[in-house]
Amino acid sequence: DTAVSQTPKYLVTQMGNDKSIKCEQNLGHDTMYWYKQDSKKFLKIMFSYNNKELIINETVPNRFSPKSPDKAHLNLHINSLELGDSAVYFCASSHEGGNQPQHFGDGTRLSIL
Amino acid sequence: GNSVTQMEGPVTLSEEAFLTINCTYTATGYPSLFWYVQYPGEGLQLLLKATKADDKGSNKGFEATYRKETTSFHLEKGSVQVSDSAVYFCALQLGTSYGKLTFGQGTILTVHP
Repeated sequence: DTAVSQTPKYLVTQMGNDKSIKCEQNLGHDTMYWYKQDSKKFLKIMFSYNNKELIINETVPNRFSPKSPDKAHLNLHINSLELGDSAVYFCASSHEGGNQPQHFGDGTRLSIL
Repeated sequence: GNSVTQMEGPVTLSEEAFLTINCTYTATGYPSLFWYVQYPGEGLQLLLKATKADDKGSNKGFEATYRKETTSFHLEKGSVQVSDSAVYFCALQLGTSYGKLTFGQGTILTVHP
């Protein structure tokens, strides 16, 4: 009965490859997010979707393409992976509106060789 | 722009010591303020929140008061336990930001028996 689940938990791949990370939430939330956490633990939002529509895109390279097939899913596809993409990627979800707490997945640790 | 600044870590304490983690913010409106906690290998969990000036958020013995005059939201706990060892993130959210959280850099707390 995991609330926000991400797969895979670990992803090790070569530079130049294309990879996807999947996220699903069973909380009935309308809004989903992707955050990137770097090696110094700094967290920054990448994207946000509300009811399958993109509402936040924080100057992320267009190699990163989120896709939301329905309200419960937000996947992240990354093309032509670079060394600087190595990080932990967190999916989160919340109800629509201000002051709503966000529920986070356990993260996907992406390592580029 | 909007930003959050937390005290530099890491912070190392003995069990039952008093904890303070400082957090100050800059915002172009009236934000809601949050503390999130990240235990090793896990995603972030909401610890507490406050939505307007002078509100006090509290949970699991932790407290923080929204101080508009000093633009601060310091986290305190009277007696820490080993199980409190984690990374603590202060964050703000503006009502107009579609749920976007702006995080501080995180503070690593280690509590020794």
